[in-house]
Amino acid sequence: GQQVMQIPQYQHVQEGEDFTTYCNSSTTLSNIQWYKQRPGGHPVFLIQLVKSGEVKKQKRLTFQFGEAKKNSSLHITATQTTDVGTYFCAVQGAQKLVFGQGTRLTINP
Amino acid sequence: EAGVAQSPRYKIIEKRQSVAFWCNPISGHATLYWYQQILGQGPKLLIQFQNNGVVDDSQLPKDRFSAERLKGVDSTLKIQPAKLEDSAVYLCASSFSREAGEKLFFGSGTQLSVL
Repeated sequence: GQQVMQIPQYQHVQEGEDFTTYCNSSTTLSNIQWYKQRPGGHPVFLIQLVKSGEVKKQKRLTFQFGEAKKNSSLHITATQTTDVGTYFCAVQGAQKLVFGQGTRLTINP
Repeated sequence: EAGVAQSPRYKIIEKRQSVAFWCNPISGHATLYWYQQILGQGPKLLIQFQNNGVVDDSQLPKDRFSAERLKGVDSTLKIQPAKLEDSAVYLCASSFSREAGEKLFFGSGTQLSVL
């Protein structure tokens, strides 16, 4: 079935530093979604990317979809303590959404 | 707008006991999902309903897990008998439809501990 690899598994940064997580697939993706899960919370939808090479921004968050639609990245500029959590990418498998293992972001204030 | 409601929030049981979880999706959402999230991992789909029909249950351990959504609204997920490896958070989610690209809205989950 559809699988997706997320790296890194963990990332610890100083507040104010940038953060990037990557999502890679061996097959071409129809679309990709990103979710954020705060500690003790549930996943919350952030964004969906559909087009090759698409770039979308939400304040300090920048999402990119690769030209070949096999990879995606989420970049956070100047992290804040509110960015703490686990970021998941999710891709469309056969009739279902398959989640990556996530990148857990911790921040030193 | 009310979100996805789940209960209970926490459950502790001993192995071989049974347990049931309840979920009420967002009003008007036709598609309902049950995900299992083991600590440190991403959510894994157990079963997906479209109205009251099952779309995908390929990863549901059917010898011990069952789920129903009889009236196409709320749903229950049951485990009988529970095993130690069933300790996880069980997340219910809903979406307006099951078309590709629909975003999922998750409930707060039920944290299950099997001792």
